[in-house]
This record gives sequence, C-alpha cells and structure tokens, in this order.
Amino acid sequence: SAVISQKPSRDICQRGTSLTIQCQVDSQVTMMFWYRQQPGQSLTLIATANQGSEATYESGFVIDKFPISRPNLTFSTLTVSNMSPEDSSIYLCSVEATPYGYTFGSGTRLTVV
Amino acid sequence: GENVEQHPSTLSVQEGDSAVIKCTYSDSASNYFPWYKQELGKGPQLIIDIRSNVGEKKDQRIAVTLNKTAKHFSLHITETQPEDSAVYFCAASINTGGFKTIFGAGTRLFVKA
Repeated sequence: SAVISQKPSRDICQRGTSLTIQCQVDSQVTMMFWYRQQPGQSLTLIATANQGSEATYESGFVIDKFPISRPNLTFSTLTVSNMSPEDSSIYLCSVEATPYGYTFGSGTRLTVV
Repeated sequence: GENVEQHPSTLSVQEGDSAVIKCTYSDSASNYFPWYKQELGKGPQLIIDIRSNVGEKKDQRIAVTLNKTAKHFSLHITETQPEDSAVYFCAASINTGGFKTIFGAGTRLFVKA
C-alpha cells in the first residue's frame, strides 16, 4: 500500500496565524482525504481533494478556513487559517488503500496558543 | 446518515487475556467494516476488515465478527501483549464509488504486563 509522508509532525502556533500541512504520497492517487482528530476524539473528515478540481468539504468545514491544494497526483496541502485554540487537533491526510480501507499519514499535532 | 457507536471507551486487560471491542452502526447499506489501530504519535493503521458478505474473519490473534441483522460488529484480540496497547477505531463504510467512512469514537486499550 501507499506510503504517506506528512509534515510538520507537530507545531505550536499563535492564534490568528495560519499553518500549512503537507502530504506527499509515494504513488499516484486519485483522491486524498484530510481528517481532523480532536483530543481524545474520533476522526472527522474535513474534505476530499481530487487533482484538478476543487476540494469537496464536509458539513461544518469551509474553504476559507481550510483551503486545500492538490497540484498533482502525489501531493496535497491543507492550510488551517486564522487559527484559534479550538483548532488545536491532530490533522491527518489519507488515501484509499488497496484493495480497501485507508492509509493514513502520521499526523500533524497542532497546538494553538 | 450513518452513525457508529463504539464501546467501551477504555479497556484494561492483563497480558495474555482477551480483549473485545464492540461497535454498532445505523445504516443497513453499510457493507465494509474496517478496524484501525492508532499508536501514540502515529496515524491510524488498518489491522483487519470485514465485508458484509462475511460473518467472521481471523488474522492470527485478531478476529472480527459481523452480525448484519443486529448491525453490530466486534474486534477480538486474544493472548494480548503490551504492544497491543493503543487506541482502536471501528468504522463503517458504504461503497458508493468512493468510500464514505464513519469512524467510531475509539477504544483506548491498556495491556498490563
């Protein structure tokens, strides 16, 4: 299955600033997924990123807050904009695994102070 | 929409004992049920899965059972070892051409040596 490199692994950011998280996959994939995992909680899908089209956002998530880029079939970025302490979470990218399920990156642990 | 409930939220067992985690789902159209293990500081990793046309699947010390009528599925870990300590997530998916996956809230498993 695919191997995902995600960075940064962690960051501490000031409120009001933005952070861009990068995901690199070692093979070409059609869809990449971005998840948020709040402390002690489950995984919530933020958006699905297809190459060549705008990302599809889930209910409760908007492009202005979480802009996503997908410039090619192996790379995607998620930006957390105008951060507040409520944005402190683990952010994970993932791709569909073969034949089923998902492969996840190692996650970005974000703390907003 | 789909809802997945997972119990217990925390489970502590003695090394060598068995651990059982249970999940229920609401959408009878769900047809794919993966289980993920998340170790500290890492992304979730797929450990076993089951499709709706199968009632049970086993992989060494791990087994999963599915009761479609009752809409519940369970993870069984036998002969637990300290390295089994992690957070386990169940999930339910409807194969609609792209997997739409809903995750359970997670179970934190402690295996005491």
